[in-house]
Amino acid sequence: DTGVSQDPRHKITKRGQNVTFRCDPISEHNRLYWYRQTLGQGPEFLTYFQNEAQLEKSRLLSDRFSAERPKGSFSTLEIQRTEQGDSAMYLCASSLSGTAEAFFGQGTRLTVV
Amino acid sequence: TQLLEQSPQFLSIQEGENLTVYCNSSSVFSSLQWYRQEPGEGPVLLVTVVTGGEVKKLKRLTFQFGDARKDSSLHITAAQPGDTGLYLCAGSLGGSYIPTFGRGTSLIVHP
Repeated sequence: DTGVSQDPRHKITKRGQNVTFRCDPISEHNRLYWYRQTLGQGPEFLTYFQNEAQLEKSRLLSDRFSAERPKGSFSTLEIQRTEQGDSAMYLCASSLSGTAEAFFGQGTRLTVV
Repeated sequence: TQLLEQSPQFLSIQEGENLTVYCNSSSVFSSLQWYRQEPGEGPVLLVTVVTGGEVKKLKRLTFQFGDARKDSSLHITAAQPGDTGLYLCAGSLGGSYIPTFGRGTSLIVHP
């Protein structure tokens, strides 16, 4: 198993553009999480899926953000009409249900210019 | 207000020194995890503690979970430059199993 994989690693986009990130979790993990991390902060929870169901969303997840996990495998996080405040590291993690031991990908660094 | 408060926020020490970092909360956690994160990378899981009073050792790292399961500490013996990184604690409340992170302790070990 290669662990959690995220793509792309880096993304630079102009303000107002849409961006989409992909996460491939560890294959036997049924939970998948998205977090956002800015400089000097720990990861902040955005949303999580159990299999294909999105079970919880943070208030941080504005209407411009949407996440999907079709078929309970990979997940995508889309940000519409990006703003400079969206610049951050977006982290994906996966785990087995019934445990809080999450395994993280390397993250996608988003820069909005 | 952070659910998990980590201290100190920054720590800069010389190789060979010992150090302790802390993770505190007013909430009771069903489990608590420690992660290490290097710049530009995702956090890497180091350990999970579950039982109040539990002590786990990972080479030169010693992790302790408080008796009341509200706090934890990480002690590093004879720090090395390879220990440099951001140390994060994360806990989950009740049966949610959603990791909630502190802000981390940024450690620099100088050769």
